[in-house]
Amino acid sequence: NAGVTQTPKFQVLKTGQSMTLQCAQDMNHEYMSWYRQDPGMGLRLIHYSVGAGITDQGEVPNGYNVSRSTTEDFPLRLLSAAPSQTSVYFCASSYDRTGYYGYTFGSGTRLTVV
Amino acid sequence: DQQVKQNSPSLSVQEGRISILNCDYTNSMFDYFLWYKKYPAEGPTFLISISSIKDKNEDGRFTVFLNKSAKHLSLHIVPSQPGDSAVYFCAANVAFGNEKLTFGTGTRLTIIP
Repeated sequence: NAGVTQTPKFQVLKTGQSMTLQCAQDMNHEYMSWYRQDPGMGLRLIHYSVGAGITDQGEVPNGYNVSRSTTEDFPLRLLSAAPSQTSVYFCASSYDRTGYYGYTFGSGTRLTVV
Repeated sequence: DQQVKQNSPSLSVQEGRISILNCDYTNSMFDYFLWYKKYPAEGPTFLISISSIKDKNEDGRFTVFLNKSAKHLSLHIVPSQPGDSAVYFCAANVAFGNEKLTFGTGTRLTIIP
């Protein structure tokens, strides 16, 4: 099925560990982004990319790293996990930068840092 | 600074009645406004959008109204169905030079059978 695939669905990390959240889309969308959802905070943009080789910071980029070597993949790296990074992470893609025709979101990764 | 605000964390509506979800914004530069619906353990799904040059956009049971002078938009769902029970997020963006969709905090809609 066409869409955005996120792995893993659940992850528990110890403080200081690193990991990569995977995101892949098969719709040939140029625009991809990572959001985190926290209670009472809505969705906040972490990093985004407007095409292969191009990334930029969103609202809450600290502690996260991204790269975009292909159109399909946009992994999010946690460099040294902290309890404040406990959250649900969503990857999204769109052919339109503004999102006017809608972003397609993955089903999310629930991350707990202990 | 919360540029997009949803002041009602929750809303309960009887099945068959109209559901009205509200959203306020502070940034007059926003060009597009969108509504997303989210079920538990799933990603948000796009519902409907509206350009700032319009004041209304309709798609089936869903209608979005935009009042630019009041910096206010609303989503009307008529008639409300049990499957509409979800969290609804409004979002906004600037058309050019900005790919950062800004989301509100969400309103949990519960449809009572």
